[in-house]
Amino acid sequence: DVKVTQSSRYLVKRTGEKVFLECVQDMDHENMFWYRQDPGLGLRLIYFSYDVKMKEKGDIPEGYSVSREKKERFSLILESASTNQTSMYLCASSVPHRAGELFFGEGSRLTVL
Amino acid sequence: GEDVEQSLFLSVREGDSSVINCTYTDSSSTYLYWYKQEPGAGLQLLTYIFSNMDMKQDQRLTVLLNKKDKHLSLRIADTQTGDSAIYFCAESRGDYKLSFGAGTTVTVRA
Repeated sequence: DVKVTQSSRYLVKRTGEKVFLECVQDMDHENMFWYRQDPGLGLRLIYFSYDVKMKEKGDIPEGYSVSREKKERFSLILESASTNQTSMYLCASSVPHRAGELFFGEGSRLTVL
Repeated sequence: GEDVEQSLFLSVREGDSSVINCTYTDSSSTYLYWYKQEPGAGLQLLTYIFSNMDMKQDQRLTVLLNKKDKHLSLRIADTQTGDSAIYFCAESRGDYKLSFGAGTTVTVRA
């Protein structure tokens, strides 16, 4: 069964802490994405990557960075967490010729106190 | 999701049809998508339609596309309790990106 796995379902962090959210996919997909989901706002794209070591900013990259050292793994980093980064974070992957057919992980709910 | 708009809530009786509506803004979008999110889960792709089509049917799901009005709808026939979820409309933007709506929470009542 193909999967996108996010390492943590729930995290609680303090303001100013560095936060790592990990995502691994086993489908050999080239494209990987990080979205955040907030009620009433839907999903907003933070960063995406279409190849190893490649990354592109999405619509709301401020306060975030990403790392893609291996094809199957895409990490989202919050250098200094703030309360307005409390949200659900969703990782997704796809293949280039069917880029809109996303496979999502179950999400990581981050609370920043 | 400011480019894609959906109503936030829909309540429907079990066995009735559900219709979820969406408007989008980018007339150059090649594909339009419907995703479903069940409680506590990530999103899963339900169906999609190519922009040169008017309609697509897939079992209980019917997608209608009105390109002139930039209007997309998803009809679920014979709605069941398992259809209770959040439904997201999305349009393709460029090669890699999708723009999502805010999501419509569908509640199925007995």
